[in-house]
Amino acid sequence: QVHLVESGGGVVQPGRSLRLSCAASGFSFSDYSMHWVRQAPGKGLEWVAIVSFDGVNTYYADSVKGRFTVSRDNSKNTLYLQINALRPEDTAVYYCAREEAEYHSPRFAYWGQGTLVTVSS
Amino acid sequence: DIQLTQSPSFLSASVGDRVTITCRASQDISNYLVWYQQKPGKAPNLLIYAASTLQSGVPSRFSGSGSGTKFTLTISSLQPEDFASYYCQQFTDYPYTFGQGTNLEIK
Repeated sequence: QVHLVESGGGVVQPGRSLRLSCAASGFSFSDYSMHWVRQAPGKGLEWVAIVSFDGVNTYYADSVKGRFTVSRDNSKNTLYLQINALRPEDTAVYYCAREEAEYHSPRFAYWGQGTLVTVSS
Repeated sequence: DIQLTQSPSFLSASVGDRVTITCRASQDISNYLVWYQQKPGKAPNLLIYAASTLQSGVPSRFSGSGSGTKFTLTISSLQPEDFASYYCQQFTDYPYTFGQGTNLEIK
């Protein structure tokens, strides 16, 4: 059974850093590209970043480029999101999601429960 | 970046109604379009992928159609558990943008 569990959220002052984690279980983690998606309170979903199955390739939304770094440790079945220079507009629930790509039909069939990051002084 | 525009943003309907939500892409995305349902405090739940393929376990009252730049999600007969928010997402190119969402409320 696929299981994704985010952690690392909390209340952080503007300008500080935070590292989110997503622990994966129930599947071969190293076979899948993984993504981060966030959702500000009362707002819609925003795609944030992707890391390829082997950790070599990454891509970011323009809104986070240069401040966020996505990485993974396949030996630990864990996905990470390093967030630097936090801004109030980064306040959101952060979800990790697994990308399915069978039959050339990409989608997010599995999501974590999310971790809330609140940026406030 | 590819922009996705959903309409309507808000929809009020009754149990048993047939409802349709539209998602328009700013450029041709073939059929790389996905629909999710999200309930308050929960992660999104995959409904439809490849524009029209029903995800396993999703009730058959949900259906999707379209290709290119115009897509629709239809719920044939609303059930009480269907009142939620709905999002489309494209997988043609990074960033994998979402539509702004449609809030489906009970009339």
